[in-house]
Amino acid sequence: AQSVTQPDIHITVSEGASLELRCNYSYGATPYLFWYVQSPGQGLQLLLKYFSGDTLVQGIKGFEAEFKRSQSSFNLRKPSVHWSDAAEYFCAVATNQAGTALIFGKGTTLSVSS
Amino acid sequence: DAGITQSPRHKVTETGTPVTLRCHQTENHRYMYWYRQDPGHGLRLIHYSYGVKDTDKGEVSDGYSVSRSKTEDFLLTLESATSSQTSVYFCATVDRVDQPQHFGDGTRLSIL
Repeated sequence: AQSVTQPDIHITVSEGASLELRCNYSYGATPYLFWYVQSPGQGLQLLLKYFSGDTLVQGIKGFEAEFKRSQSSFNLRKPSVHWSDAAEYFCAVATNQAGTALIFGKGTTLSVSS
Repeated sequence: DAGITQSPRHKVTETGTPVTLRCHQTENHRYMYWYRQDPGHGLRLIHYSYGVKDTDKGEVSDGYSVSRSKTEDFLLTLESATSSQTSVYFCATVDRVDQPQHFGDGTRLSIL
């Protein structure tokens, strides 16, 4: 069965420091991959997506992610974190099953210290 | 997302009562989904629809039913609400698998 693993439940990063959030997926073929962000009490906002082509994808708010097929990973990175980046981050995959429904990881909560 | 409206946004009800949540889209997307979000679980698929009157179960469908009589509306019904169904419910839509899903703002449901 398809699955998404986000190994880190909670991460704290100093403002201005770099960030990497990990995501591993289990799927037989190349899936469609997404990173969403959710601020407290809010809905989900798409940060970036990977469908095919260049394995390094750029998103909004200065985020990027790299797809590594050999490691079944799609890690999210940002070179310099801002206090406003504090939120919960979800990695998700879409397949051709269940009507293209998304399978989400359990999320990583990012705290930013000053 | 401006094209997806969930109603109500908040609801408190008692165990055993029926509850219906509505998702309305103006995107004319083919696929619609209901997810629930619980701490430590991320979002999990309840039911989805791939067209008018075409629906199917997701990972956590027990205790829920859905209906889609028009392209724009997807209803989620809890026939007899239980405390375990206290959660935040999100509706999402998409037209094709190679597009990102659009999410509504969520419905916070508390069952006492």
